[in-house]
Amino acid sequence: DAGVIQSPRHEVTEMGQEVTLRCKPISGHDYLFWYRQTMMRGLELLIYFNNNVPIDDSGMPEDRFSAKMPNASFSTLKIQPSEPRDSAVYFCASSPDRVVIQPQHFGDGTRLSIL
Amino acid sequence: RKEVEQDPGPFNVPEGATVAFNCTYSNSASQSFFWYRQDCRKEPKLLMSVYSSGNEDGRFTAQLNRASQYISLLIRDSKLSDSATYLCVVNMWITGGGNKLTFGTGTQLKVEL
Repeated sequence: DAGVIQSPRHEVTEMGQEVTLRCKPISGHDYLFWYRQTMMRGLELLIYFNNNVPIDDSGMPEDRFSAKMPNASFSTLKIQPSEPRDSAVYFCASSPDRVVIQPQHFGDGTRLSIL
Repeated sequence: RKEVEQDPGPFNVPEGATVAFNCTYSNSASQSFFWYRQDCRKEPKLLMSVYSSGNEDGRFTAQLNRASQYISLLIRDSKLSDSATYLCVVNMWITGGGNKLTFGTGTQLKVEL
């Protein structure tokens, strides 16, 4: 079975450019999560969706960050304009159901470098 | 105070050693607990859930102490392949629906010959 699929795997761009990260969750999973990981702060939850609806975006750092989930099989995380401090690994994860605690399945991540 | 705290390590141990990691969490309303493993430049993967009664999976044993808000992971007979970063994860229901996973920054383990 296909796992969580993220693209691109690597992105290097200049400060001020728009960056769009993409995620396809595991089919049938109702929950989708976006995380950011840095050496200093570890893995931080940015936002998560349930049935395509954003539930908690309190982790989104600032207005430059936005996330959408137009359908059950696709989500984007956008940074505009990007800054060097946004450099990190961004993970997308999905899980099936909140009633019974299920593990989250992570994608391979997008390694983002802002120059 | 961080919501989930772990000793970052690294823990350098010889092959065959027993090693223990600890984790504390600040929110007493936390409801479920996990250990994830993350290899260098890879995604986190679930290692095991942590139950109040303690649970074991092969060489791995997880313990939870709700009174002390403390979680542990014990690895016996460590292997070279156990070298990774171990993330303590705490889950909590959120008022209004949904749940929230909070990850510790991880403890790095290096198993050496």
